[in-house]
Amino acid sequence: EAEVAQSPRYKITEKSQAVAFWCDPISGHATLYWYRQILGQGPELLVQFQDESVVDDSQLPKDRFSAERLKGVDSTLKIQPAELGDSAMYLCASSPGRIDEQFFGPGTRLTVL
Amino acid sequence: GQNIDQPTEMTATEGAIVQINCTYQTSGFNGLFWYQQHAGEAPTFLSYNVLDGLEEKGRFSSFLSRSKGYSYLLLKELQMKDSASYLCAVRGAASGTYKYIFGTGTRLKVLA
Repeated sequence: EAEVAQSPRYKITEKSQAVAFWCDPISGHATLYWYRQILGQGPELLVQFQDESVVDDSQLPKDRFSAERLKGVDSTLKIQPAELGDSAMYLCASSPGRIDEQFFGPGTRLTVL
Repeated sequence: GQNIDQPTEMTATEGAIVQINCTYQTSGFNGLFWYQQHAGEAPTFLSYNVLDGLEEKGRFSSFLSRSKGYSYLLLKELQMKDSASYLCAVRGAASGTYKYIFGTGTRLKVLA
């Protein structure tokens, strides 16, 4: 069964350092989402791609976060510099189109010390 | 704006039925989703409603009333493995695209 892949699964870093997360969506899925989930809360959308284009990044803290999906397949989310409040689970999801159900990857758990 | 409310925690007994409610406010409503999330794991899709009424899928059913901004997830014949968080998510149209808003989740504990 096809799955969304994410790496790394766990990341510990010190504040002010740079971190990067990688996501490989299910093959053929045009829409890719990055979410941040703080413990005890629901996922919060950071950025949504349709193929290689950003269609929504209104909740992305652009002073420190960046995301790209250069060839419309896999994607990278970067934080520079990391802050203590960035500690969370970062989830990637994909869907065949913009109105379909989302399939989530296993997530990257980030701890900022 | 957009807002979703669901209870924080619920407890039920193995074999019983439990109903998890979700109320929402959104512009350009275009569907409501329920996801299950076990601790430390990613959410997995359970159900989708876009029209009023009940959608049944095995032990899980989901209901939607668009006029009331209300949905519920019904879990029958509860099993221990159903202990998880249940996330209500609403899709709304805004600025030419679809935005997904997730609730904070309802943590369900199933007791033996």
